Amino acid sequence: GENVEQHPSTLSVQEGDSAVIKCTYSDSASNYFPWYKQELGKRPQLIIDIRSNVGEKKDQRIAVTLNKTAKHFSLHITETQPEDSAVYFCAASMSWGKLQFGAGTQVVVTP
Amino acid sequence: DAGITQSPRHKVTETGTPVTLRCHQTENHRYMYWYRQDPGHGLRLIHYSYGVKDTDKGEVSDGYSVSRSKTEDFLLTLESATSSQTSVYFCAISGTGDREGYTFGSGTRLTVV
Repeated sequence: GENVEQHPSTLSVQEGDSAVIKCTYSDSASNYFPWYKQELGKRPQLIIDIRSNVGEKKDQRIAVTLNKTAKHFSLHITETQPEDSAVYFCAASMSWGKLQFGAGTQVVVTP
Repeated sequence: DAGITQSPRHKVTETGTPVTLRCHQTENHRYMYWYRQDPGHGLRLIHYSYGVKDTDKGEVSDGYSVSRSKTEDFLLTLESATSSQTSVYFCAISGTGDREGYTFGSGTRLTVV
């Protein structure tokens, strides 16, 4: 089955700096890679996704890159703000729309 | 978010008792999933459904069963609750499987004492 590893587990950044979270996956058949943000006590919410036929996607201050050959994908957050503080999860698709999630990255943005 | 609700939001139960969690959607989505969230483990799939009466096991299905008799409802049952099942349980829905992300419910915090 699919296995997704996510690094780092915690990430502290100064406000205005960039943050990068990296994930690797094992199943070359995976073709959909979403990222979720979860604030404390809330549900995970989709922030950006990428499909296997695309190498990079941007949405304002966030971007995701995908390297299919190396089987890794990354989330980039630029000009971080305190409201970016949350837990971020990467995921990779399996059959029947199932998602295999990484263990999560706690991002702390300090003013 | 509109379209998916979980009940109850919080529950405390005793070891050995059966517990049923409910997920209700109004989006008419085909796919529904139950995940549990524990520190250091992210979200792990318990069971999923790809249609009415069509369900299958995920990676952590032992001690859990599910039922889906209607498109809108997906029930998760802990047959005999154990302390290791203390967790936050999230239901998720998807309309098209692997072409779009999930919408999650608000979660159920379950404590087994």
